[in-house]
Amino acid sequence: DAKTTQPPSMDCAEGRAANLPCNHSTISGNEYVYWYRQIHSQGPQYIIHGLKNNETNEMASLIITEDRKSSTLILPHATLRDTAVYYCIVRVAAGGTSYGKLTFGQGTILTVHP
Amino acid sequence: DAGITQSPRHKVTETGTPVTLRCHQTENHRYMYWYRQDPGHGLRLIHYSYGVKDTDKGEVSDGYSVSRSKTEDFLLTLESATSSQTSVYFCAISPGAGTGTGNSPLHFGNGTRLTVT
Repeated sequence: DAKTTQPPSMDCAEGRAANLPCNHSTISGNEYVYWYRQIHSQGPQYIIHGLKNNETNEMASLIITEDRKSSTLILPHATLRDTAVYYCIVRVAAGGTSYGKLTFGQGTILTVHP
Repeated sequence: DAGITQSPRHKVTETGTPVTLRCHQTENHRYMYWYRQDPGHGLRLIHYSYGVKDTDKGEVSDGYSVSRSKTEDFLLTLESATSSQTSVYFCAISPGAGTGTGNSPLHFGNGTRLTVT
């Protein structure tokens, strides 16, 4: 699986958009970009994923660059409850031996402050 | 979360004793996974299952065994617990049928905190 690079920490004011970057310059054509977050002492929570098109759901938006070497997770109106560790993960599609295996890095600690 | 129940939520045990952790799902998902999370290592895959009685090793499987006798339950067993197995253990599930499973997200339970003294 391709490795990802994320900043170790970021701050955001409550009510503002939080933009979390991720570099995955060695991503392959069949690898998806996934975002998860983990709030202290809870299990990782799925946020969103995409292959090459931008995606949006009720939680966030995912912007993937045209060359797919980087992406940005956008939380449009951050709240205090969004304070968590955010993980950007690249994962192969079905069929490979690594199928199902999400490889978690160190993630970005996002702190939302009042 | 996502119909996943892990039990027990907390356990303290002594070195050398057997321990079994249970993951129960109500989603009828085909795939189930066991991860452990330790400071400085993030989440690491221990074992996973792709169907009843079908399991495979992950990256840190030594000292662990698993069993899946029915769709809804995935058991993780530490035959003889060691202090290095003190960790938080997470179960995850994902749907899957045919070839469309690679882009199905995993959903995680809330974990079991295991302390081996």
